[in-house]
Amino acid sequence: KAGVTQTPRYLIKTRGQQVTLSCSPISGHRSVSWYQQTPGQGLQFLFEYFSETQRNKGNFPGRFSGRQFSNSRSEMNVSTLELGDSALYLCASSARPMNTEAFFGQGTRLTVV
Amino acid sequence: GESVGLHLPTLSVQEGDNSIINCAYSNSASDYFIWYKQESGKGPQFIIDIRSNMDKRQGQRVTVLLNKTVKHLSLQIAATQPGDSAVYFCAENMGSTSGTYKYIFGTGTRLKVLA
Repeated sequence: KAGVTQTPRYLIKTRGQQVTLSCSPISGHRSVSWYQQTPGQGLQFLFEYFSETQRNKGNFPGRFSGRQFSNSRSEMNVSTLELGDSALYLCASSARPMNTEAFFGQGTRLTVV
Repeated sequence: GESVGLHLPTLSVQEGDNSIINCAYSNSASDYFIWYKQESGKGPQFIIDIRSNMDKRQGQRVTVLLNKTVKHLSLQIAATQPGDSAVYFCAENMGSTSGTYKYIFGTGTRLKVLA
C-alpha cells in the first residue's frame, strides 16, 4: 500500500509569488490535513479536508488556502509569499476526520527568498 | 537532513536503557492523544495513541501513560536502540461539541541514544 505522497519535495520561490503544493493520501483515506513545521514554531495545523470539504482550519492568514478533489488528492496554495513562509509543509491522511491515526508524508520544503 | 527544531530539549539515553519522554498538554477537554516520531528528513511517524478514557496503553516496546489530573502524557521506550534516535512529539486532539477537531502538537523532545 503506497504511503502519503507529497510533491514537490523541494521548492524555492521569490517573495510575492504564489505556490501550490500537492498531497496524495493513502488509497481509501478521505481525510487530508496540512501542517506547517518551522524550527521556531514547531508543527502547526493549517487545515483539514474531508470529502472535498474543509472541516477544520488553524490560525493562519487567508493567503493560505487549500482544496480537495473527488479522488481525495489535496492541494495547498500560498499566495503573496513572505520570507516567514519558509518551512516544511506536511500533509497527513487518515481514514476518517481527525480523531484517528494519521499518516504523514515526507513534506515539501519551501524556501522563500 | 531536515532540521525539525534547533532548540529542542534533548534526552540522552544509553543504548539498552529505558527512555521516558514527557509532554504537558493544554486542554482538559482533549480526548485523544498521539505520540509521533520524526527522524531527520522524514515526516512524523505514528507510534502509539491513547484515548482519554484510558490511563495506559502498551505497544511493542512502547507504553503511553496519561494523567488527566495534571494534563500530562508520557512515552516510555523499553530497551532503547540506536534507531530510536529522533524527535518525539505528542499531539492532543481538541474535540469540540460541533464535532470538528484540531490537533495541537507539543514542541518535541530530541532523543539521542548513546552507544
